[in-house]
Amino acid sequence: SQQGEEDPQALSIQEGENATMNCSYKTSINNLQWYRQNSGRGLVHLILIRSNEREKHSGRLRVTLDTSKKSSSLLITASRAADTASYFCATDGDSNYQLIWGAGTKLIIKP
Amino acid sequence: ETGVTQTPRHLVMGMTNKKSLKCEQHLGHNAMYWYKQSAKKPLELMFVYSLEERVENNSVPSRFSPECPNSSHLFLHLHTLQPEDSALYLCASSLTDILLSPKGLDNEQFFGPGTRLTVL
Repeated sequence: SQQGEEDPQALSIQEGENATMNCSYKTSINNLQWYRQNSGRGLVHLILIRSNEREKHSGRLRVTLDTSKKSSSLLITASRAADTASYFCATDGDSNYQLIWGAGTKLIIKP
Repeated sequence: ETGVTQTPRHLVMGMTNKKSLKCEQHLGHNAMYWYKQSAKKPLELMFVYSLEERVENNSVPSRFSPECPNSSHLFLHLHTLQPEDSALYLCASSLTDILLSPKGLDNEQFFGPGTRLTVL
């Protein structure tokens, strides 16, 4: 069953602006991950945040996690054309290998 | 993407053909996965292998047949597919030792570039 649901489904912004994507989930989690997928390619792992963490940074990426609201956000600062991609959140599932994926946010950065 | 490779990158096949997708990981990982990605749908987990042992068959039709001859290689054998099987097929690996690791550990997955499959 679908756990993570990204919001918005699509986002189009100007280069240089910040992009924020949200992910909501339904059940308790141990960790949440964000991945990027360029058109028709494989997914690339961006960042993992554990349930006892509230915020995590990696370069221009900032991820927050609010377990009380069962939500996470991914902020990309100073966006670039190369950030154009789909972004997915994934939460750990019932087993130690299963990830539960959302349908993704399609981000378009206009030059 | 060089950590996990997939061939072919594109495949067009008829419904009566038999073909195979290949995945190879160079990361020393213990687990390998096949996913199906269709437009506007979440990733669908198909099969999971841990050290060559299948640990998940997620109600996948028998026209898809996985094979894991060793911990670095994973195949997906295809036969008598349907047009609705057209999708991007992604292979992934993770360090997780599925059979020994408890739930809750970080399970970052590393993906190959995928095979774009079109069934005519």
